[in-house]
Amino acid sequence: SQTIHQWPATLVQPVGSPLSLECTVEGTSNPNLYWYRQAAGRGLQLLFYSVGIGQISSEVPQNLSASRPQDRQFILSSKKLLLSDSGFYLCAWSARPWDSRTASNQPQHFGDGTRLSIL
Amino acid sequence: GQQLNQSPQSMFIQEGEDVSMNCTSSSIFNTWLWYKQEPGEGPVLLIALYKAGELTSNGRLTAQFGITRKDSFLNISASIPSDVGIYFCAGQRSSGGGADGLTFGKGTHLIIQP
Repeated sequence: SQTIHQWPATLVQPVGSPLSLECTVEGTSNPNLYWYRQAAGRGLQLLFYSVGIGQISSEVPQNLSASRPQDRQFILSSKKLLLSDSGFYLCAWSARPWDSRTASNQPQHFGDGTRLSIL
Repeated sequence: GQQLNQSPQSMFIQEGEDVSMNCTSSSIFNTWLWYKQEPGEGPVLLIALYKAGELTSNGRLTAQFGITRKDSFLNISASIPSDVGIYFCAGQRSSGGGADGLTFGKGTHLIIQP
């Protein structure tokens, strides 16, 4: 079965420090990968998605960047954190359909998230 | 960006009662999903809907994809204490296995009173 892992689970960082959050998926190959941010008491906002190694699409302009150095590894980074970067960061994966002409969307499955607090 | 209007924002119910929540959008989605999130965890998929008019059940949960493709509802029958959590609707625009992300509602916080 497929599993998704995120780490660290919690992180406290000072303003201006760098960031690296990691997400890995096991039990599948060539997945679509996603990074979301969830502000307190709100729904999830898509930050980045990736359909393959080195392929990153950004949904919102921000202080963050994403990279996919390996097929099942997705990294969220920042060179200099802002107070507004605090939140709950979630990684998700979905399977790539065998035939995109006839396949329906595959549901996204989420990791347990990283709680990021900026001081 | 595009948002889904999810209601109610919160529900206070007695154990055993039925629950109903819904999401509406001003634009069309090709896939509707319902997730449940508990504190400190990621959302867990409950039901996925792929066709307009589709009605799908998962145990005590039932969800429907609206005919107009602009709405969906989730019902929970005979609620139990473990149903407590935040329920999110999510829509996806692309079809044919597209990789675009989900648009989420703001969630319905379900609280069950003893």
